[in-house]
Amino acid sequence: QQQVKQSPQSLIVQKGGISIINCAYENTAFDYFPWYQQFPGKGPALLIAIRPDVSEKKEGRFTISFNKSAKQFSLHIMDSQPGDSATYFCAASSRGDDKIIFGKGTRLHILP
Amino acid sequence: GAVVSQHPSRVICKSGTSVKIECRSLDFQATTMFWYRQFPKQSLMLMATSNEGSKATYEQGVEKDKFLINHASLTLSTLTVTSAHPEDSSFYICSAEDAAANYGYTFGSGTRLTVV
Repeated sequence: QQQVKQSPQSLIVQKGGISIINCAYENTAFDYFPWYQQFPGKGPALLIAIRPDVSEKKEGRFTISFNKSAKQFSLHIMDSQPGDSATYFCAASSRGDDKIIFGKGTRLHILP
Repeated sequence: GAVVSQHPSRVICKSGTSVKIECRSLDFQATTMFWYRQFPKQSLMLMATSNEGSKATYEQGVEKDKFLINHASLTLSTLTVTSAHPEDSSFYICSAEDAAANYGYTFGSGTRLTVV
């Protein structure tokens, strides 16, 4: 049972373009939705996170859009750069459970 | 911000030996730490939740006797892979929650274990 579904599995975007990664969840108890960026051989690093009381959060070139009714959230990377090439994981957790559930990841490659 | 230090970053060991991996929260106290395993090009798989001063909670299918977890203090958790075999070769990652950051999960840099 996959509680957080992430798509696409891989993504190629031209430099300067917009990268969009989507996630959907099933558990309505989830109340924290982070995105992590992972480079090869490194641990994941928190990129940006959102709670369900807002529909959008922006930090620099990174934006999370959240649709509570559809149980979906997405990451938008504006003006994508080669240095953004990495694997991105969406995740979800709930206040009543310490566990954080990860999506399967998206391998993003930005063409120079 | 919160920093989690994981050591060693890489380790090669012979089959049948044991390997200990340390995870430290450097600037915050972590009553709960998590241990993950990650296979190439795959997502993180939660192995166990480490609780300070009590026994770890293991996920289904994870062998407690093979993967020993000790959380002796609020800043240190260790994972010991006992009697390691080549199939235990993987990337192991710890994380800790900074309760003061309100749901801030910080990950260590990971340990690449190779069993030969």
